[in-house]
Amino acid sequence: QVQLVESGGGVVQPGRSLRLSCAASGFAFSSAGMHWVRQAPGKGLEWVALIWYDGSNRYYLDSVKGRFTISRDNSRNMVYLQMNSLRAEDTAVYYCAKEGLSGYVNYWGQGTLVTVSS
Amino acid sequence: DIQVTQSPSSLSASVGDRVTITCRASQYINIYLNWYQQRPGRAPSLLIYGTSSLHSGVPSRFSGSGSGTDFTLTINSLQPEDLATYYCQQTHSTPYTFGQGTKLEIK
Repeated sequence: QVQLVESGGGVVQPGRSLRLSCAASGFAFSSAGMHWVRQAPGKGLEWVALIWYDGSNRYYLDSVKGRFTISRDNSRNMVYLQMNSLRAEDTAVYYCAKEGLSGYVNYWGQGTLVTVSS
Repeated sequence: DIQVTQSPSSLSASVGDRVTITCRASQYINIYLNWYQQRPGRAPSLLIYGTSSLHSGVPSRFSGSGSGTDFTLTINSLQPEDLATYYCQQTHSTPYTFGQGTKLEIK
């Protein structure tokens, strides 16, 4: 069965960096696009980033462009989100998610909480 | 960016009722509209993709319709376990925007 396990969340001061990791199993990882989606406390879902199956293309939410970088290691079935220059408004649960055939998310991880606070 | 407007923001219905949630995109998105369910305290899960295709394991009381800019999620014969917040999402073009969510309560 598909499993996505996020790690790396925690409390970080504004302006600092954090790297989230996602370990994937149960599917052909090197054939699947991968997303990060976030959800601020008590708020709705917000798509953050997408990386193609081979890493050749990456797409970002405008508010994280230049600060966040999505990457993947197909030899280790891992996807990452490097988050720099963090702001209070980046506080959220971050979900790692597997892409279906046309952009939609067909499987989600359980999420990891990132809190940006001084 | 494509904006997605979902309505209503909340609704209350009884077991056995038929429930409809709508989603409107700010521009043409063909059939690239998906629906997710998020039960309290849980990660979201996929219900419907490509406007009307039911994800594996999703009960047949859930259905989706529409095209272009206007879309609908219908839940027939509402069940207690359908208590959740429902989100639509367009995947026509990045950023892949979500609707604001519809919180469904069971009377």
